[in-house]
Amino acid sequence: GQQVMQIPQYQHVQEGEDFTTYCNSSTTLSNIQWYKQRPGGHPVFLIQLVKSGEVKKQKRLTFQFGEAKKNSSLHITATQTTDVGTYFCVGDSNYQLIWGAGTKLIIKP
Amino acid sequence: DAGITQSPRHKVTETGTPVTLRCHQTENHRYMYWYRQDPGHGLRLIHYSYGVKDTDKGEVSDGYSVSRSKTEDFLLTLESATSSQTSVYFCAISESNWGLLTGELFFGEGSRLTVL
Repeated sequence: GQQVMQIPQYQHVQEGEDFTTYCNSSTTLSNIQWYKQRPGGHPVFLIQLVKSGEVKKQKRLTFQFGEAKKNSSLHITATQTTDVGTYFCVGDSNYQLIWGAGTKLIIKP
Repeated sequence: DAGITQSPRHKVTETGTPVTLRCHQTENHRYMYWYRQDPGHGLRLIHYSYGVKDTDKGEVSDGYSVSRSKTEDFLLTLESATSSQTSVYFCAISESNWGLLTGELFFGEGSRLTVL
């Protein structure tokens, strides 16, 4: 079946280090969304990418959509404690929303 | 935050009992969804609705049924709960569906169900 693989499953960083999560789809996506879920909370929409090669920025967050519209990444520069949580990508393929399993960002004390 | 209320927020029940989770929205969004979230699986779609009395199955619909008699309410029923249905259940709403321009999903706070 159609899948969106998201890696890594966990990433431990020191505060101030960068963080990146990657999503790869087995099929071409019409668009991709990113969500953040704080511990104990619910997913919250961050952004949607639609165009091939699209890059969008939100302050310290940079989102990319691959040229082939099969992969995407989220990069956080200089992580802060408020960035802690799990980041999910959601791909729209053939009228189905396919969720990645998420990458949990953990800030090392 | 979008006006989405899930009830109950927590429930413990026994195997074989029926359970109904309710999702209520005040946004008048057309699309409503029920997801379950389990460690390592992300979110998996159980059922969704595209209008009053219009529903369809998601990827993990076995053992679940839904009903939508009003725009604002979407009910998820486990006819006979099993331990494998222990999970966190999220309701979500959106203005538009997938395809042309996938709508942003707004989520409720979640309902934690434990089946003993």
